[in-house]
Amino acid sequence: SQELEQSPQSLIVQEGKNLTINCTSSKTLYGLYWYKQKYGEGLIFLMMLQKGGEEKSHEKITAKLDEKKQQSSLHITASQPSHAGIYLCGAEIQGAQKLVFGQGTRLTINP
Amino acid sequence: SQTIHQWPATLVQPVGSPLSLECTVEGTSNPNLYWYRQAAGRGLQLLFYSVGIGQISSEVPQNLSASRPQDRQFILSSKKLLLSDSGFYLCAWSAKVPPYEQYFGPGTRLTVT
Repeated sequence: SQELEQSPQSLIVQEGKNLTINCTSSKTLYGLYWYKQKYGEGLIFLMMLQKGGEEKSHEKITAKLDEKKQQSSLHITASQPSHAGIYLCGAEIQGAQKLVFGQGTRLTINP
Repeated sequence: SQTIHQWPATLVQPVGSPLSLECTVEGTSNPNLYWYRQAAGRGLQLLFYSVGIGQISSEVPQNLSASRPQDRQFILSSKKLLLSDSGFYLCAWSAKVPPYEQYFGPGTRLTVT
């Protein structure tokens, strides 16, 4: 079965600093999804990557999928308090219309 | 636009009592539907998913069951709750064609006492 490992599990950064969250798969990724969750709420879809080397950006958040399609990174530039929350990566399971998720990265932004 | 609803938002139930959580989707037809559980500090565990009315796939054998009586309605049930059923339950939908990004409801926090 496919497994996703996220690192770090938690991250505390000062407001204005850059940060990176990684998501590593045990198998080739055919679709990689990034979500954000505020405590006690549902997940918000951020972006989806499919092609090796693909990079997408939304406001100050950039996600990349490596050429070998086994690792993705989420980079936040000039972090703000609004970026705080739990970030989860999810991967399509080949041949099935469902996703498997990493355990999440809890991001705290200190003023 | 599509909207997904879950209720109740919070629930406190004694051990051994029944459970019914409901999820409904608006603005789309024939979606895939999913139930997840999120334990404190952990990722999402897929419990059930459905590709159509009456079609349920169970991912993890447990004390829970799911039903899809209507196209846009997904219900999570239990006849007798266990303490280990406590958690945050999330419903999601996706289209049937790729990409399969899933859109999540607001969740139900269940505490079994």
